[in-house]
Amino acid sequence: DQQVKQNSPSLSVQEGRISILNCDYTNSMFDYFLWYKKYPAEGPTFLISISSIKDKNEDGRFTVFLNKSAKHLSLHIVPSQPGDSAVYFCAASEGSGTGANNLFFGTGTRLTVIP
Amino acid sequence: DAGVTQSPTHLIKTRGQQVTLRCSPKSGHDTVSWYQQALGQGPQFIFQYYEEEERQRGNFPDRFSGHQFPNYSSELNVNALLLGDSALYLCASSFGTSDTQYFGPGTRLTVL
Repeated sequence: DQQVKQNSPSLSVQEGRISILNCDYTNSMFDYFLWYKKYPAEGPTFLISISSIKDKNEDGRFTVFLNKSAKHLSLHIVPSQPGDSAVYFCAASEGSGTGANNLFFGTGTRLTVIP
Repeated sequence: DAGVTQSPTHLIKTRGQQVTLRCSPKSGHDTVSWYQQALGQGPQFIFQYYEEEERQRGNFPDRFSGHQFPNYSSELNVNALLLGDSALYLCASSFGTSDTQYFGPGTRLTVL
């Protein structure tokens, strides 16, 4: 039973435009959400996170939006750069603030930024 | 500041054998989690160690076991290897009550 879903396996965007990656979840107990970027032959790299008490978090070119009623979050990258080409994973956990959390991951979206 | 390190990078075993994977957490981190990533899938949680004890466990059989040492490093042991255990094994570390986990590069295990 996949509790975190990324329904778009791939996304292609022109350099300089906005990339929007989407993620849906089913477990209403999730209260902390993260996005990771993964290059081939490397481990996932932490990008940005958001707690369920917020609906937006911004860090440079990356912004994550959380819609709790729809159980949906999205990652916006503006402007997109060729170096952003990677697989992006959405992850979620419950028990925020305890440190005792296991992450549930989606299956990833491969982003290709075209120069 | 050293990040999460894992060894070995690659490993080839045959069915029925046993394997041990190693992880050193990011400097200052005290919690280690292990994940299995099959091809084309997202990482799946195996278990988490804190204060040298297994704090949480995912839906993996008892063939998967682990250990955390006083210096916070950790080992993942898999007994009676099956072909289906072939995957990328990822270690992640975090500190205290922080919810953000930082991943190592992984160990690619191939079972023949």
